[in-house]
Amino acid sequence: AQKITQTQPGMFVQEKEAVTLDCTYDTSDPSYGLFWYKQPSSGEMIFLIYQGSYDQQNATEGRYSLNFQKARKSANLVISASQLGDSAMYFCAMRSLGAASKLTFGTGTRLQVTL
Amino acid sequence: GAGVSQTPSNKVTEKGKYVELRCDPISGHTALYWYRQSLGQGPEFLIYFQGTGAADDSGLPNDRFFAVRPEGSVSTLKIQRTERGDSAVYLCASSLSAGGTYEQYFGPGTRLTVT
Repeated sequence: AQKITQTQPGMFVQEKEAVTLDCTYDTSDPSYGLFWYKQPSSGEMIFLIYQGSYDQQNATEGRYSLNFQKARKSANLVISASQLGDSAMYFCAMRSLGAASKLTFGTGTRLQVTL
Repeated sequence: GAGVSQTPSNKVTEKGKYVELRCDPISGHTALYWYRQSLGQGPEFLIYFQGTGAADDSGLPNDRFFAVRPEGSVSTLKIQRTERGDSAVYLCASSLSAGGTYEQYFGPGTRLTVT
């Protein structure tokens, strides 16, 4: 079984500052992928960034980067230069890269960007 | 191009009634997923299809829930004898194929309220 833990129910960050959203995971699968999604108040789930368990380098996508520490089983999302539009719920998720394809999500972190 | 679409966007029904929720995946995507998101939680997996067949239905909570994808494109999630506990947002996602590193693209969801 896979499990995702997000321990920060809510976070505040000032505009233009960087923020780290925590995510730890547990799995017995040798090969897996880690994902971050953003869910604004409109409800849609927007894919942000992906990290494979065998990737040697941390993933980056524009202002998003994933701080992947395999030994610690953590996959924290770093958002640089926060913008007001970044205010949303953020979900960490994972799935096996084998036959099983379902995503397992954490409970999410609500990020509020302030002026 | 068009993303994943879901209809209706909102559905209010009385306890005990039957409901159908529809998902139109991205054209050419062979894998289709259904998730359920209760208030304050992350999405929870229900079922996924690879083509026309249900490859994993382990997340369906009980036999009142059923989903079909007869032609390998549009899918319908069917809930019989609805209960108040079925109230949630039902999310559909599609990906180019199941497994591997393929990203799942989510639709806007159907908010189901059982009164």
